[in-house]
Amino acid sequence: ELKVEQNPLFLSMQEGKNYTIYCNYSTTSDRLYWYRQDPGKSLESLFVLLSNGAVKQEGRLMASLDTKARLSTLHITAAVHDLSATYFCAVARRYAGNQFYFGTGTSLTVIP
Amino acid sequence: EAGVAQSPRYKIIEKRQSVAFWCNPISGHATLYWYQQILGQGPKLLIQFQNNGVVDDSQLPKDRFSAERLKGVDSTLKIQPAKLEDSAVYLCASSRLGQGRHEQYFGPGTRLTVT
Repeated sequence: ELKVEQNPLFLSMQEGKNYTIYCNYSTTSDRLYWYRQDPGKSLESLFVLLSNGAVKQEGRLMASLDTKARLSTLHITAAVHDLSATYFCAVARRYAGNQFYFGTGTSLTVIP
Repeated sequence: EAGVAQSPRYKIIEKRQSVAFWCNPISGHATLYWYQQILGQGPKLLIQFQNNGVVDDSQLPKDRFSAERLKGVDSTLKIQPAKLEDSAVYLCASSRLGQGRHEQYFGPGTRLTVT
């Protein structure tokens, strides 16, 4: 079974600081997704990474994918309170019907 | 385009009772997924449909859970009888195959509390 691990599980950071969330997965995959979930809400798609070396940026968030290392990162630049949420990475197995395997999630709190 | 619709949004039942959830995917999306998300965890896939056929139901507790997708559009997920450990948010998602992104779009979820 494909395993997806995120770290840290909990992250408390001050506004204006930078930090990186890591997503490791256990088997070959070339598709990785990042989602955001606010408390009591559903999942909102942030990034879709489809190839080795892919880098996507939106506002203060930047995601990258290294398929050889089986690692994706979500980098937060100059954090603001609005970024407080839980972030999930999900890995897809192309030849298994597009099944998603979700990571454990990283709960981010940005302190003013 | 309209998003994934789910109902009800909240449901409270007693253990051993039955419950059903409904999902309407985004128009044109061939693949539909049901996930269970227990508080503090990531979503876990229960069942995946492509059109009206089941692609994967390996993690569906078939002794109590069932799901169907009528005419390849709407889907219902049923629990009978419910247990305390079934308390969770049940998320429905859909995706359009045939395009490179294969992105899944999630509905608002149904929060189930079993007492």
